[in-house]
Amino acid sequence: QLQLQESGPGLVKPSETLSLTCTVSGGSISSSSYYWGWIRQPPGKGLEWIGSIYYSGSTYYNPSLKSRVTISVDTSKNQFSLKLSSVTAADTAVYYCARESYDNRVNWFDPWGQGTLVTVSS
Amino acid sequence: SYELTQPLSVSVALGQTARITCGGNNIGSKNVHWYQQKPGQAPVLVIYRDSNRPSGIPERFSGSNSGNTATLTISRAQAGDEADYYCQVWDSSTAVFGGGTKLTVL
Repeated sequence: QLQLQESGPGLVKPSETLSLTCTVSGGSISSSSYYWGWIRQPPGKGLEWIGSIYYSGSTYYNPSLKSRVTISVDTSKNQFSLKLSSVTAADTAVYYCARESYDNRVNWFDPWGQGTLVTVSS
Repeated sequence: SYELTQPLSVSVALGQTARITCGGNNIGSKNVHWYQQKPGQAPVLVIYRDSNRPSGIPERFSGSNSGNTATLTISRAQAGDEADYYCQVWDSSTAVFGGGTKLTVL
């Protein structure tokens, strides 16, 4: 059974870079059938897609965050990572990683990691 | 940018049918996915590609999509179905989520 686990600092200072890693277990991140994505959820609010990556390193990002986001993959560790630069309080959220299945050019997120809360505060 | 509109809340009596809508411009031409999120938990996929159920999701969950509205239908609602539900589509290579609907089972 595939499992995803987010890890990283729970507190980041304003203007600094948020860095998170998602470790995949129970399956290979190098599978050609999937992308891997990051989604966030501010406290009490809805879901926002951040971006996704293929095992080859191909990425695509939410245009609203693109200038600050970098997603990378480490197939040797079965991990993918998120970096979000110049953070502000508005970036405080629970950050989820998820597998992105696709079929005939249609993608969906399943399963998701448990999520990790990142607070931006000095 | 593309927008998805969901009602903030929907209530349903125990054992009855709940319908949660997701509105968007010509959403019927897109593939809609639905996620269930219980308090303090990660979202779970309950419907993909408009009307397909992942393994492990009860047959009570179904979906449809036409025109400007997609609908998630939950038959014989149970107390355990109380959760937030989010619809999601892709538009111009960007994943878009609806604002979410809180389902209350009375």
